[in-house]
Amino acid sequence: QKEVEQNSGPLSVPEGAIASLNCTYSDRGSQSFFWYRQYSGKSPELIMSIYSNGDKEDGRFTAQLNKASQYVSLLIRDSQPSDSATYLCAVEEGAQKLVFGQGTRLTINP
Amino acid sequence: DTGVSQDPRHKITKRGQNVTFRCDPISEHNRLYWYRQTLGQGPEFLTYFQNEAQLEKSRLLSDRFSAERPKGSFSTLEIQRTEQGDSAMYLCASSLAAGGPQYFGAGTRLSVL
Repeated sequence: QKEVEQNSGPLSVPEGAIASLNCTYSDRGSQSFFWYRQYSGKSPELIMSIYSNGDKEDGRFTAQLNKASQYVSLLIRDSQPSDSATYLCAVEEGAQKLVFGQGTRLTINP
Repeated sequence: DTGVSQDPRHKITKRGQNVTFRCDPISEHNRLYWYRQTLGQGPEFLTYFQNEAQLEKSRLLSDRFSAERPKGSFSTLEIQRTEQGDSAMYLCASSLAAGGPQYFGAGTRLSVL
């Protein structure tokens, strides 16, 4: 199985700052990349998808993809306490399934 | 559109019993996926359907696990002769197309005593 690696954290960021989450993947053939947010005891919620190299912005979230380096990142601007959650990086494999990293636990400190 | 629906939300069972979970995908989505998630880990793929056809099963899925999607609508995941190691959150997701975003249901949390 292809691998997706994330720093498990915890990552602690002060309120209002930028949170930066990183992910690397092993399958060079992957074309679709996703970030999910998961609150404790809840299921994953899709927050960003990205398919081509470069940046994709949606509100306070920016996803960045570099296929040559096999690297995906998520930036959260103006971090809020409600952003405290585990962030899962997911990479599509064979246009069939998602392979997830173990998640990065993010804490926003007021 | 009410999203992906899973039932039950919680299931407590004794070791050796059989359990069945149900998933109703988003109505126009023809792809349906099952994942399993344990504490501190990301979801792990179990199996997926395109319409009624089961197209891939993970090697994680022992012969005690079976999934169906009759008529390409809802899906069921059955675990026979449950073991304590089966305790996990079972997640169902659906998508409109290959490589597209997958949307998850609330999950079924299984506890095997």
